[in-house]
Amino acid sequence: EPEVTQTPSHQVTQMGQEVILRCVPISNHLYFYWYRQILGQKVEFLVSFYNNEISEKSEIFDDQFSVERPDGSNFTLKIRSTKLEDSAMYFCASSETGLDDTGELFFGEGSRLTVL
Amino acid sequence: AQKITQTQPGMFVQEKEAVTLDCTYDTSDPSYGLFWYKQPSSGEMIFLIYQGSYDQQNATEGRYSLNFQKARKSANLVISASQLGDSAMYFCAMRERSGNTPLVFGKGTRLSVIA
Repeated sequence: EPEVTQTPSHQVTQMGQEVILRCVPISNHLYFYWYRQILGQKVEFLVSFYNNEISEKSEIFDDQFSVERPDGSNFTLKIRSTKLEDSAMYFCASSETGLDDTGELFFGEGSRLTVL
Repeated sequence: AQKITQTQPGMFVQEKEAVTLDCTYDTSDPSYGLFWYKQPSSGEMIFLIYQGSYDQQNATEGRYSLNFQKARKSANLVISASQLGDSAMYFCAMRERSGNTPLVFGKGTRLSVIA
């Protein structure tokens, strides 16, 4: 069964360092998403991406965050200068259909980021 | 305002018993989808069940069923014959056709199954 894969599963970094989290969405999906879950809290939307550009982003997704699809398969989330409060589980998701549909998002297993 | 409300931060259930996890939602969009995800301690999000707003019948997937009461805007998850492996966080989520956020989650309910 096709699945969304994420790397790394866990990354520890120093405050102020840049981090790139990688995702390989399901191959025929066109819509990609990043979500964040701070430990013990609910899952929060960060950004959605379609046709090589951001389609929606939340207020969490400020200038230190960026996303890109560099090679047609990977979908990356970059955090330019990490802060302690960026420590969280980051989930990538993909879907066949976009924001105007109600179908399922398929989630990866998450990348746990720890900022020291 | 909260779009998804899960009022039970934690629930306990005896093994082999059924349990209902509550979820209410708020939307003015006539077209939406409701989802339940399971998150075990390992952290991944596991899709359990989906209910579309126009579906006439309640969704069922094995031991999971969704008690969809549209007029009350509730979408409770029923787990029958609980197993120890069901112990996890459970998140209710909604996707609106006209919303700008693809999927909005509730705060979750932690289910503990007792032997």
